[in-house]
Amino acid sequence: NAGVTQTPKFQVLKTGQSMTLQCAQDMNHEYMSWYRQDPGMGLRLIHYSVGAGITDQGEVPNGYNVSRSTTEDFPLRLLSAAPSQTSVYFCASRDLAGSSYNEQFFGPGTRLTVL
Amino acid sequence: LAKTTQPISMDSYEGQEVNITCSHNNIATNDYITWYQQFPSQGPRFIIQGYKTKVTNEVASLFIPADRKSSTLSLPRVSLSDTAVYYCLVGDSSGTYKYIFGTGTRLKVLA
Repeated sequence: NAGVTQTPKFQVLKTGQSMTLQCAQDMNHEYMSWYRQDPGMGLRLIHYSVGAGITDQGEVPNGYNVSRSTTEDFPLRLLSAAPSQTSVYFCASRDLAGSSYNEQFFGPGTRLTVL
Repeated sequence: LAKTTQPISMDSYEGQEVNITCSHNNIATNDYITWYQQFPSQGPRFIIQGYKTKVTNEVASLFIPADRKSSTLSLPRVSLSDTAVYYCLVGDSSGTYKYIFGTGTRLKVLA
C-alpha cells in the first residue's frame, strides 16, 4: 500500500492564482481531512469528509474548497491564493469502522508558498 | 469540542524517561485520548491511544487518571531520535469527526 499520497511536494503561486492540491489514499478509508501547518505552529483543520459526497468545514475553511467524488481522492482547491495561505498542507485519512478510533494516517505534505 | 493544553517545550537527556502531560478538562464521556508524534518536515504519526487507566505499546505508555481530565505520555529511555513535537488529541465522540490538534509539546533530547 502507498498509504496517503500528496502532490505536488512543493508549489509556488502568485497572489490571485488558483490551484488544486491532490490527496489520494489506497486504504479504503471513509474519513479524509486536510490540515495546514504554519511555521512553528500546530496543525489546523481546514475541511474533512466522512465519505464520498460528504464534506464539512473545519477550523479554518475560508479560502479553500473541497469535494469528495470518490473514496480514494480528496482534492483541496485554492480559488484565489493569498500570502496568508503560505503553509505546509497535510492530508490524512482514517478507517471509521476500525478499532483505532482516532488513528489518522498522514501524507508527506505539500509545501505552498504564495508570493 | 474538548480543548487540550500541553507544555510548549521540554528538554531531556538521552536515556531518561520523559513524561508529557496534557490537560483536557472538558473531555466528554465517550472521548478517547490520542497522541501523535511529528518529526520536522513530516506528517504526524500515531503513537498511542487510550480511554482510561494505563495503556502500553512498544513505543510509549499512556496514563489516564480516573477523572480523565488529564493524561500523561511516558517515553522510556529517550534517544536523540525521539526529538520531535508531540500532540495530544481528544477524540470527537459526538460523531462530527472534527479532530482538533493543539499546539503540541516540542521535545528536545540532548546527548
